[in-house]
Parts: sequence; structure tokens; C-alpha cells
Amino acid sequence: DQQVKQNSPSLSVQEGRISILNCDYTNSMFDYFLWYKKYPAEGPTFLISISSIKDKNEDGRFTVFLNKSAKHLSLHIVPSQPGDSAVYFCAASDAGKSTFGDGTTLTVKP
Amino acid sequence: DAGVTQSPTHLIKTRGQQVTLRCSPKSGHDTVSWYQQALGQGPQFIFQYYEEEERQRGNFPDRFSGHQFPNYSSELNVNALLLGDSALYLCASSLDRGDYEQYFGPGTRLTVT
Repeated sequence: DQQVKQNSPSLSVQEGRISILNCDYTNSMFDYFLWYKKYPAEGPTFLISISSIKDKNEDGRFTVFLNKSAKHLSLHIVPSQPGDSAVYFCAASDAGKSTFGDGTTLTVKP
Repeated sequence: DAGVTQSPTHLIKTRGQQVTLRCSPKSGHDTVSWYQQALGQGPQFIFQYYEEEERQRGNFPDRFSGHQFPNYSSELNVNALLLGDSALYLCASSLDRGDYEQYFGPGTRLTVT
């Protein structure tokens, strides 16, 4: 039973447009949500996070939205750049223990 | 400032053997977590070490054990290797147990034949 799901294995967008990556979760005990980016041959890199008591957090081109009633979060990247091409993992934390989704491969075309 | 380092980079073992993977956390970090990432999947939490003790554990058998040293570095040991243990093993460090933001190493690729 997967508690964190990223239903889109891949996403392709044009440079300059918005990228929207989605994530669903089932465990109501999760109190913190994070997005990580992963390039080949590297470990995941922290991108942005949001506490369960908030519904939006913004950092430059990256914004994370949390809808607790729907148990859904999304990552918006505006504008998308070719350097954003990577695998994006959604993670949810329960008392410090993180559960990851299977990732979405984002390709930003020049 | 060195980030999280892991050794070795790659490892090939035979079924039934034992393996030890090593991790040095980011400078200033005292908490280390280990993850297993199978091909095409996200990292799965194995366990977390803080103050040289295992504090949390994921759904992994006792064949998976670990250790944390006084300098906060850590080891992951896997006994009686199975073919299904082939994966990328990631180490992540954080400032303390309550810090959600983790810094990951590049991982150790373990292949069991």
C-alpha cells in the first residue's frame, strides 16, 4: 500500500511555460511535505517544503500547494527552464520519517 | 564544506554474502538516515540514527542493521544478501532529528549476483 503516489511518471513542457507536478497521499499523520530534485548519478536535492498547517509556500520560481482535504500537493515551476529537467520526488514526513513517491521525470524542451 | 559522502560507489556481491556501506554526514549534521532505492522507484526508508542509536525503522528485515559512530558517521550492514537487495543505497543527513530537510549523498550501487 503506497502512502505517497505520483501518478504521472513523466511530464514534458516547453521552456518558459509552467510545469505542474502532482502528488497524492493517504496518511493523515503526515505533518510535513517536501519536494526533491534528482539528477542522474546524484542523490536527491532538497527543493522546497511545506508544513501541514499551511496551504502554500513560495521560493523563487517554485511554489508548493497543499490541499489537506483532498490529500493532494503540487509543485509549480514558473517559468520552466531546460536546467529543471530532472526527476522530482514528493516526500511526506511523519515525525521525521520520510515516505517518498516514485518520482516524475520532467523534461523541459528549449 | 563537504556534503554527504558515501563509499564505495559501486559494489558487486554474491547471494548469501554480507556487505557494509559507509556514510559521512554533512558537516554539522548529527542525524543519519538510510534509504534503499530500487530501479524506477522512490527511496524507501530503512532506519535513522541519532546519538549512536537507531531511533526509527522502516519495514525492513533484521538482516539490515546499522551503526553510528561518535563522529556521526554511519554504517549500513546487510547480511545474507538476496538478489532483491540489489539497489541504490542512499544516505541522508540532517541537522537534528526534528529537521525535515535532508541532504543526500550520491549513493552506493549494490549488485547482488
